[in-house]
Amino acid sequence: EVQLLESGGGLVQPGGSLRLSCAASGFSFSTYGMSWVRLGPGKGLEWISGVSASGATIKYSASVEGRFTISRDNSRNRLYLQMNSLRADDTALYYCARTFGADYWGQGTLVTVSS
Amino acid sequence: DVAMTQSPLSLPVTLGQPASISCRSSQSLVHSDGNTYLNWFLQRPGQSPRRLIYEVSNRDSGVPDRFSGSGSGTDFTLKISRVEAEDVGIYYCMQATHWPRTFGQGTKVEIK
Repeated sequence: EVQLLESGGGLVQPGGSLRLSCAASGFSFSTYGMSWVRLGPGKGLEWISGVSASGATIKYSASVEGRFTISRDNSRNRLYLQMNSLRADDTALYYCARTFGADYWGQGTLVTVSS
Repeated sequence: DVAMTQSPLSLPVTLGQPASISCRSSQSLVHSDGNTYLNWFLQRPGQSPRRLIYEVSNRDSGVPDRFSGSGSGTDFTLKISRVEAEDVGIYYCMQATHWPRTFGQGTKVEIK
């Protein structure tokens, strides 16, 4: 069974940083691209970043490029999202999803950016 | 970025009746490999999103056959043949042809 478990969310002040983690199990992690998608309060889903299976290809949405960094550790079956220069509008539930087409999703981790 | 426009944004439905959601993209979703990467998702209240349909018309494992997807190019449709109570939630289309991936605004389906 495919399982994705996000962690690392919390309350952070504007301008601060957080590192999200996603632990994957139940499939061959190193052979799948992975994505981060967020759901802001009162908003719809927003795809924000993706990384290919090898890590060679990385993509970002314009809203996070230059502030967020996606990475993966295939030896530990983990996906990461380093979030810097956080803003109030980054407040959201952050999901990791398998593939660039998001076939499986985790349960999400909540990030709140507020002073 | 490719803009995805769904309609309607709110859809009250009667149990047992059909329902339909439209999704239009600002650019063709036909990939250079010939495939069209248009997916549909359902987010039930309090749950994570679940993919229902991939590549326009293919149902994911375990998705009831009352769900069907169709369309081509820039115009796509999700149909529910007979709405059941568990179908309540927000439906999203998403294009996975172009970077960055983009979602529609979501269509909230509720029972009348």
